[in-house]
Amino acid sequence: DAGITQSPRHKVTETGTPVTLRCHQTENHRYMYWYRQDPGHGLRLIHYSYGVKDTDKGEVSDGYSVSRSKTEDFLLTLESATSSQTSVYFCAISEWGTGGTYEQYFGPGTRLTVT
Amino acid sequence: SQQGEEDPQALSIQEGENATMNCSYKTSINNLQWYRQNSGRGLVHLILIRSNEREKHSGRLRVTLDTSKKSSSLLITASRAADTASYFCATAQSGYSTLTFGKGTMLLVSP
Repeated sequence: DAGITQSPRHKVTETGTPVTLRCHQTENHRYMYWYRQDPGHGLRLIHYSYGVKDTDKGEVSDGYSVSRSKTEDFLLTLESATSSQTSVYFCAISEWGTGGTYEQYFGPGTRLTVT
Repeated sequence: SQQGEEDPQALSIQEGENATMNCSYKTSINNLQWYRQNSGRGLVHLILIRSNEREKHSGRLRVTLDTSKKSSSLLITASRAADTASYFCATAQSGYSTLTFGKGTMLLVSP
């Protein structure tokens, strides 16, 4: 987890409220990712970024938006939280490896509960 | 949809035994990676094998890749209780900066 922090680590919120999760890295890696992890589904990509202000959608992007205004910060926003977004959210970073290997390094996770 | 699928979903062994987990995938890949996740923690990168490699070792870990069968295996030799964790395979396709993860194998190593 060194070099990657996520905040908050735990959050309980009500349906319909906006929520922003923050990922901060000190590694100066170009690529940043947001995943959600749910029982029976493994790890699924929500959004990712390949540079400042450069982002793209992942497999489960509906209901989520992201922003990256600085290399070190990648924000995930739930505009109007729903119970189906109760999950554990992980941020990951990577850099261009030899031959495009992209090993990823993960943060400690944020447990989000939407009531 | 998931690219990689691990098998078995759960594995229970005794300390000192070997543990083998398998991963199957659907499309051509640039490389395949294995990660470990301890309960309540983030994933940790274990080992990467490129599409032109057939076998790779790292300590007590041995990974094989068969691109003709689109499958990989992770062998942990002489397992320890500390190896108890979930193990995920992830595939990387050429030209893409993302990984696709499987659902994982839960390994329990009993003392």
